[in-house]
Amino acid sequence: AQSVAQPEDQVNVAEGNPLTVKCTYSVSGNPYLFWYVQYPNRGLQFLLKYITGDNLVKGSYGFEAEFNKSQTSFHLKKPSALVSDSALYFCAVRDSGTYKYIFGTGTRLKVLA
Amino acid sequence: DSGVTQTPKHLITATGQRVTLRCSPRSGDLSVYWYQQSLDQGLQFLIQYYNGEERAKGNILERFSAQQFPDLHSELNLSSLELGDSALYFCASSTGGVLNSPLHFGNGTRLTVT
Repeated sequence: AQSVAQPEDQVNVAEGNPLTVKCTYSVSGNPYLFWYVQYPNRGLQFLLKYITGDNLVKGSYGFEAEFNKSQTSFHLKKPSALVSDSALYFCAVRDSGTYKYIFGTGTRLKVLA
Repeated sequence: DSGVTQTPKHLITATGQRVTLRCSPRSGDLSVYWYQQSLDQGLQFLIQYYNGEERAKGNILERFSAQQFPDLHSELNLSSLELGDSALYFCASSTGGVLNSPLHFGNGTRLTVT
């Protein structure tokens, strides 16, 4: 069965520093991976998706994700964090058999001024 | 704005009651997904419809049911409500046909059962 894991419940980073939110995956076949962000009292917003063959994928709001096949990881990154990036981040994988989207447990990012 | 519309935004009701949550997908999207988000359980997949047909089922209780209508809007019906059903309920839509097409979420319905 397809799955994703987000090992950190919370990540704290100082404004202006680079940030990384971790995600590892387990799939059979090609990985269909996504990152979403959720602000308070809002739905999840799509940030970016893995594109086959691209090890660095660029997305919205200056975010990017690094795909590593050998480590089965798809970490979300940003070179310089903003206070406004503080939110809940979800990694997701799409099951190619059932078409379900399976979400990780979420990582709360706090960017400190 | 994701293009996915959910109504109502808030719903307060009593235990034992029945409610209906409504979702209009993005224009052109054939697939609708329902998720439940509660504080201690993260995002739980409930059910998926594609072009009017049920396609996948997750951890949906027997007291809950859903359907997708010919105009592609969807409704989630929750009956015999319990305190533990209090949560945010999200609808999301996608084109459905392409595996790497992302989900687009509505802003949710916050259900409070008292």
